[in-house]
Amino acid sequence: RKEVEQDPGPFNVPEGATVAFNCTYSNSASQSFFWYRQDCRKEPKLLMSVYSSGNEDGRFTAQLNRASQYISLLIRDSKLSDSATYLCVVNRRRNTGFQKLVFGTGTRLLVSP
Amino acid sequence: DAGVTQSPTHLIKTRGQQVTLRCSPKSGHDTVSWYQQALGQGPQFIFQYYEEEERQRGNFPDRFSGHQFPNYSSELNVNALLLGDSALYLCASSEKVTKETQYFGPGTRLLVL
Repeated sequence: RKEVEQDPGPFNVPEGATVAFNCTYSNSASQSFFWYRQDCRKEPKLLMSVYSSGNEDGRFTAQLNRASQYISLLIRDSKLSDSATYLCVVNRRRNTGFQKLVFGTGTRLLVSP
Repeated sequence: DAGVTQSPTHLIKTRGQQVTLRCSPKSGHDTVSWYQQALGQGPQFIFQYYEEEERQRGNFPDRFSGHQFPNYSSELNVNALLLGDSALYLCASSEKVTKETQYFGPGTRLLVL
């Protein structure tokens, strides 16, 4: 079983739609959580951090459920420019303080006119 | 302020050869992590360097080695290349070990024939 699991998609949605991605992680020692966005043949870029209280950045809302080890990302009013792969990421910090990012396989989103 | 830079952008090698990839971290960053991203997969952690020492390592064989220089730049070396080493190699830097946000370079695309 992979440490971070995501539905690879693709999710095909029309412009203006609301779409939600989910992710589960298996290591309860995971300490912080992120969504990264990766455009085709480009590097991953941080989209937002994810907190238990939920956090919002414009049209994007992220939520963490530590009890269920579940992370979500909601995109409202989808734009063509939202088409990308969304990577769910957990961060594990060792006792030494060194951190390691563990990525899911990514969920591909295609927004059509 | 330059972000994370990597060289070369693309590389073609044959099986059994050796390759060296280079990374310069974002200004002010002192920690460098390397990731391998195969097609259709999320990035996989290779290893992390801080103060010129390898601090943690993922599940990669000893053929993968690295180095960090006093100016914080880093190299990834892969010996005895296999076809399966074909991937996008990403370097990420962060400011001090305990800072969570990692910034990625554009990557080096390696093709092994």
